[in-house]
Amino acid sequence: DQQVKQNSPSLSVQEGRISILNCDYTNSMFDYFLWYKKYPAEGPTFLISISSIKDKNEDGRFTVFLNKSAKHLSLHIVPSQPGDSAVYFCAARAWGAQKLVFGQGTRLTINP
Amino acid sequence: NAGVMQNPRHLVRRRGQEARLRCSPMKGHSHVYWYRQLPEEGLKFMVYLQKENIIDESGMPKERFSAEFPKEGPSILRIQQVVRGDSAAYFCASSPPSTGEAFFGQGTRLTVV
Repeated sequence: DQQVKQNSPSLSVQEGRISILNCDYTNSMFDYFLWYKKYPAEGPTFLISISSIKDKNEDGRFTVFLNKSAKHLSLHIVPSQPGDSAVYFCAARAWGAQKLVFGQGTRLTINP
Repeated sequence: NAGVMQNPRHLVRRRGQEARLRCSPMKGHSHVYWYRQLPEEGLKFMVYLQKENIIDESGMPKERFSAEFPKEGPSILRIQQVVRGDSAAYFCASSPPSTGEAFFGQGTRLTVV
């Protein structure tokens, strides 16, 4: 039962353009969402998060959008840089719970 | 403030041996989580612990796997009688008592030969 889904295994974007990574969830009890970035042979690094009381959160080049009615969130990176090439994981946490539920990840490649 | 420390980074075990993975959380963090990542898959939750207590072990296999977080010392994930299917990257994360994002260690890559 995949409660958090990232349907695009990979994404390729030109340097300087916008990268949009998508994530869908099924559990309506999720109220906190996070994006992590992972390089090979390293642990995931926290990028940005959003609470369900908001629909947008911005931090520098990274913006996360949440559409609760569609149970969908997205991460926008603009402008994309070569160092952004990594695997991006969407994660969610249910109200009152501590554990994070992760999607399968999307491999982002930024082309020069 | 050191991050989450996991050791060893790489561990090779023969089938039937025991594997012990260690995790020291960030200073001030009392919540520890273990996740497993199989090749080409996402991170799967295994267990959530606080000091001396297992809070949620819903992701732990019923046999051969155990975890502890003693009052003193690191958290330990123990896998007895390892099999080839246990080969994976095991990540530990920690978080402070208040809710918030979890910070991950660099992982232990277990290879069973």
